Amino acid sequence: AQSVTQPDARVTVSEGASLQLRCKYSYSATPYLFWYVQYPRQGLQLLLKYYSGDPVVQGVNSFEAEFSKSNSSFHLQKASVHWSDSAVYFCALNYNQGKLIFGQGTKLSIKP
Amino acid sequence: GPKVLQIPSHQIIDMGQMVTLNCDPVSNHLYFYWYKQILGQQMEFLVNFYNGKVMEKSKLFKDQFSVERPDGSYFTLKIQPTALEDSAVYFCASSFQISNERLFFGHGTKLSVL
Repeated sequence: AQSVTQPDARVTVSEGASLQLRCKYSYSATPYLFWYVQYPRQGLQLLLKYYSGDPVVQGVNSFEAEFSKSNSSFHLQKASVHWSDSAVYFCALNYNQGKLIFGQGTKLSIKP
Repeated sequence: GPKVLQIPSHQIIDMGQMVTLNCDPVSNHLYFYWYKQILGQQMEFLVNFYNGKVMEKSKLFKDQFSVERPDGSYFTLKIQPTALEDSAVYFCASSFQISNERLFFGHGTKLSVL
């Protein structure tokens, strides 16, 4: 059965430091993968998506993610975080006609 | 960018009452969805809807749940009667196509059943 796992419920990094948020998936076919971000009191916003092709995908606000079929992973990365990146990040797999499976989310906190 | 609006942001009701959650999807979108997130857990698919009909529903979509979008107005999720376990944040989403493209999400309605 398909699944998405975000192993880190909370991540804290210093402003200006690099960031990696982990996402592992389980799916037998070609995955359609997404990273969404949720800022306080706002809806989910799409950061980036992967359908096929180049395994490194660029998103908004200098985020990028790397798809690895061998590792069944889709980790989110950013070279230098800003305090405004504080939010909850969700990895998701679209497995059939708009049905998404979400990870449990990773709450990112930025230290000044 | 395109926005999905959900009304209200928070709803508090007594167990057994009826509640209707409202969603104003992106204007040219054709497919609509509800997702449920219990505190501390993953967001889970409830139902998708197209052309006035439910396409597919998950096991979370109990008999007490119903959805509709009368005359292109709000896309609604009605729960009648409510139960304590219905307390959650409900997210509405919409998309133009039913393929595996992105969904646009609202900010959620927090439902508290007392």
